[in-house]
Amino acid sequence: DQQVKQNSPSLSVQEGRISILNCDYTNSMFDYFLWYKKYPAEGPTFLISISSIKDKNEDGRFTVFLNKSAKHLSLHIVPSQPGDSAVYFCAAAVSGTYKYIFGTGTRLKVLA
Amino acid sequence: DSGVTQTPKHLITATGQRVTLRCSPRSGDLSVYWYQQSLDQGLQFLIHYYNGEERAKGNILERFSAQQFPDLHSELNLSSLELGDSALYFCASSVGTGSSYGYTFGSGTRLTVV
Repeated sequence: DQQVKQNSPSLSVQEGRISILNCDYTNSMFDYFLWYKKYPAEGPTFLISISSIKDKNEDGRFTVFLNKSAKHLSLHIVPSQPGDSAVYFCAAAVSGTYKYIFGTGTRLKVLA
Repeated sequence: DSGVTQTPKHLITATGQRVTLRCSPRSGDLSVYWYQQSLDQGLQFLIHYYNGEERAKGNILERFSAQQFPDLHSELNLSSLELGDSALYFCASSVGTGSSYGYTFGSGTRLTVV
């Protein structure tokens, strides 16, 4: 049973436009969420996080939105740059456990 | 360089064999986590150690075991290997039992079982 789902395996976006990556979860106990970015031949690197007490967190070009009632979060990248081309994973945890459950990833390709 | 070191980077071995993957956490981190990424799969949590003690177990097969040593490095032992064990194995570390910034991952060990 996949508790964290990223239903779009890939996404292509034109440089300068907005990239929106989606993530759904099923466990209502999850209250801490992260996004990671992964380049080929490297480990995932932390990008941005959000706790369930917020519905939005922003860091530069990256914004994560959380809709608790829909059990849905999304990552917005504005403007998208070719260097953003990578696989993006969302992850969720029950705070205090720090056992993060990861989605299957979405491969983002930003076209120059 | 994330500060988390995994060796070896690549490993090719035959079915039925046993291998050991090694992870050195980032300096100061007491927690080590092991994840498996198979083809088209997300990162599957295997096991978590904190300061030498096992803290949480995920979908780790009985053929797999891990430990964390007094110097905080960790080893993941995979035995009676099957073709389906071919995957990327990531180690991650964090301060304490987690942090609001998540984990720091190593660059992984690619295991190929032939």
